[in-house]
Amino acid sequence: DAGITQSPRHKVTETGTPVTLRCHQTENHRYMYWYRQDPGHGLRLIHYSYGVKDTDKGEVSDGYSVSRSKTEDFLLTLESATSSQTSVYFCAISATGGTTNEKLFFGSGTQLSVL
Amino acid sequence: SQQGEEDPQALSIQEGENATMNCSYKTSINNLQWYRQNSGRGLVHLILIRSNEREKHSGRLRVTLDTSKKSSSLLITASRAADTASYFCAISGNTPLVFGKGTRLSVIA
Repeated sequence: DAGITQSPRHKVTETGTPVTLRCHQTENHRYMYWYRQDPGHGLRLIHYSYGVKDTDKGEVSDGYSVSRSKTEDFLLTLESATSSQTSVYFCAISATGGTTNEKLFFGSGTQLSVL
Repeated sequence: SQQGEEDPQALSIQEGENATMNCSYKTSINNLQWYRQNSGRGLVHLILIRSNEREKHSGRLRVTLDTSKKSSSLLITASRAADTASYFCAISGNTPLVFGKGTRLSVIA
């Protein structure tokens, strides 16, 4: 998967607890993204980063925060998990972004269940 | 919304037949991309077509783009059971890539 590692691969947690998902890349790509995939909705963008400490919101950012302190790591935090955040979360990277989006490389995903 | 919409939502064909999937969108684009997702896996980039291109080929894949109709099609020729997957179009405009909901393709051996 093009040097992208997501951890954990599976997680079960309880409503109200904080959860952090990690995306690690070895490609030195500038852009990193977090998407969630749900039946009937396809992939929706949560947050993205266009450089170290540079992040922006996506379509479904409420309830999520991100941090990028190093080029290779992009963390997604669910501040207080809710059942509606049960989903498969994908990290993706690209060398270019903005108005010149080239292809994305995806990680293998994290299956998160919030009970 | 910049989201592309794939059509049909699901498609079932016999091995050896051709599969055609369509994507419509509403905004101006810089490029349009197609991705494949096998069950339980991440998406894999298949092909990118730029707004000034009309057709592009890659192996058994053929993509067309009609910017006047704001639509694209993905043709998979001589399909194989291994082509069974979900296929997504992704729109590149002034924001990060926006994905459609996908077409589920089943190729029956």
